Amino acid sequence: GAVVSQHPSRVICKSGTSVKIECRSLDFQATTMFWYRQFPKQSLMLMATSNEGSKATYEQGVEKDKFLINHASLTLSTLTVTSAHPEDSSFYICSAYRRTLTSYNEQFFGPGTRLTVL
Amino acid sequence: GEDVEQSLFLSVREGDSSVINCTYTDSSSTYLYWYKQEPGAGLQLLTYIFSNMDMKQDQRLTVLLNKKDKHLSLRIADTQTGDSAIYFCAEQTGGYQKVTFGTGTKLQVIP
Repeated sequence: GAVVSQHPSRVICKSGTSVKIECRSLDFQATTMFWYRQFPKQSLMLMATSNEGSKATYEQGVEKDKFLINHASLTLSTLTVTSAHPEDSSFYICSAYRRTLTSYNEQFFGPGTRLTVL
Repeated sequence: GEDVEQSLFLSVREGDSSVINCTYTDSSSTYLYWYKQEPGAGLQLLTYIFSNMDMKQDQRLTVLLNKKDKHLSLRIADTQTGDSAIYFCAEQTGGYQKVTFGTGTKLQVIP
């Protein structure tokens, strides 16, 4: 399968600072990437859909000014958690969508980023 | 609306079969997926089934779909300790991009 990387894998920051997480598709061009948040013992919650060259589409209840998404190229999307607070501590996972000839949704997931806000 | 549910935990002995169940509510699902997540890692696609199929087998994995009851299951034959992980079912609805994940089932394999 295709490879999606995330950087950093783990980050600890102080409350009030901003943190940027990168998601890269290493061997294919991804016009669409997704950002998920996973709470302990809970499912993945889709935060936003990131389309290359356009504004991200945020899910209901997700603050766009808090979670800034930029998809500047076909292989890179970034999620910036602005003015992070302890409640933003979570496991953030990205995925990259590869278009296929069928309607089957071929998403490849990154390994995730563990964010801890002190 | 979209709501995908799974039991939270399953424990089996090594060598036995595991069956992980999932129920969903959206009858317009096109594809249904099973993903595996190992500790601290992202999700790995295990298998998927198209909504007009009843069963799909892939080596040790068997997926059963009961569309009438909106029930999906994943059977892992000869479960190994390396199968210990969280398993997510997911349904694809509303177009080819959006996927809704279930709550995840943590599978513990006892040696």
